[in-house]
Amino acid sequence: GAGVSQSPSNKVTEKGKDVELRCDPISGHTALYWYRQRLGQGLEFLIYFQGNSAPDKSGLPSDRFSAERTGESVSTLTIQRTQQEDSAVYLCASSPRDGSYEQYFGPGTRLTVT
Amino acid sequence: EDQVTQSPEALRLQEGESSSLNCSYTVSGLRGLFWYRQDPGKGPEFLFTLYSAGEEKEKERLKATLTKKESFLHITAPKPEDSATYLCAVRGGDSNYQLIWGAGTKLIIKP
Repeated sequence: GAGVSQSPSNKVTEKGKDVELRCDPISGHTALYWYRQRLGQGLEFLIYFQGNSAPDKSGLPSDRFSAERTGESVSTLTIQRTQQEDSAVYLCASSPRDGSYEQYFGPGTRLTVT
Repeated sequence: EDQVTQSPEALRLQEGESSSLNCSYTVSGLRGLFWYRQDPGKGPEFLFTLYSAGEEKEKERLKATLTKKESFLHITAPKPEDSATYLCAVRGGDSNYQLIWGAGTKLIIKP
């Protein structure tokens, strides 16, 4: 079946602009994660959605970052007033349940802030 | 503080030259250790989950082992297509879903 998809695959934006990144999880997966990956570094947890529960936003680095998810479907990650330090690959993953089970990752969105 | 450290940062091997990657962890109450493979420009791909010391899992040329302090990913007679970055992550007792990730080991297999 279809895997996790993300769009756009690449995004170049000017400092100060807002960007919206999209994630389509695997159908039926209740858990959805957003991560940030800087070059040569491990994955940095941003936010976690599980079904209709309140999301865990504890990893969001500042109030410029926000994310939404409609039910158990599409999620969007929005970064307002982008800064150069926001440049990174943003990865989305979904899981059939909580973190006890493996996560399935999308290909990521490479964000470059100029 | 929960922590995951992977070594070496990079490893270059000749095709057929077996070796091991290390993942050392500090976590309160391990609830799972995960190995992933990441190819350039792609998201990580799940390989193994290990839950308790002494557990081993195998897939083709890869074998993952677990002790109370570390995990090894052994690669036997590697091929160029095994070249990738290998990521390790752990889930500790304090979290139901968050994983702590290592920075990865970049493995390069020369033909």
